[in-house]
Amino acid sequence: QKEVEQNSGPLSVPEGAIASLNCTYSDRGSQSFFWYRQYSGKSPELIMFIYSNGDKEDGRFTAQLNKASQYVSLLIRDSQPSDSATYLCAVNAQGSNYKLTFGKGTLLTVNP
Amino acid sequence: GAVVSQHPSRVICKSGTSVKIECRSLDFQATTMFWYRQFPKQSLMLMATSNEGSKATYEQGVEKDKFLINHASLTLSTLTVTSAHPEDSSFYICSASSGGISTDTQYFGPGTRLTVL
Repeated sequence: QKEVEQNSGPLSVPEGAIASLNCTYSDRGSQSFFWYRQYSGKSPELIMFIYSNGDKEDGRFTAQLNKASQYVSLLIRDSQPSDSATYLCAVNAQGSNYKLTFGKGTLLTVNP
Repeated sequence: GAVVSQHPSRVICKSGTSVKIECRSLDFQATTMFWYRQFPKQSLMLMATSNEGSKATYEQGVEKDKFLINHASLTLSTLTVTSAHPEDSSFYICSASSGGISTDTQYFGPGTRLTVL
């Protein structure tokens, strides 16, 4: 069974710090990796996707992928209180009809 | 970015009635749409995958006769909850994907909160 694991948290960081969110996955055939943010009572919104090993940066967000270790992470620099949300890691495997397997999410709290 | 809408955003109905939820991709063609359900403080649960012009594929444990899905066009999918009961009360979220490697990103609609009395 394909699994995506995340630390449920809560992860608490002070405003301005770097928040580091981690995710591991079990299926070595996974090809696409996504980070979504979900505020309480709202639907998920896409933050970033990454397909290749290494780092991908977009503004204050950096996604890191290491396929050998089956590990993907999200770094949030200069964390703001508005970043407080649940962060969902999602993985798409080849042949899955584009279905995503989601982790249960990590709750991030950024303290002013 | 890609925009997905859902209608209605909130619905309250009586037990035994049917409720239809629409999901539209506004600025792209969605070859595949997905329907999820989320109970409070729980993770997303995929209910079904629908491809335009073909029957939906339901996840194990999801009753296809209770949750009717139609994907009539590349921009519209509907979920009908038939004979709704209070235990069907949940947050229903659709997502849409244009499909294909490097274009398999799912974009989520804002969700529909269903309350069955």
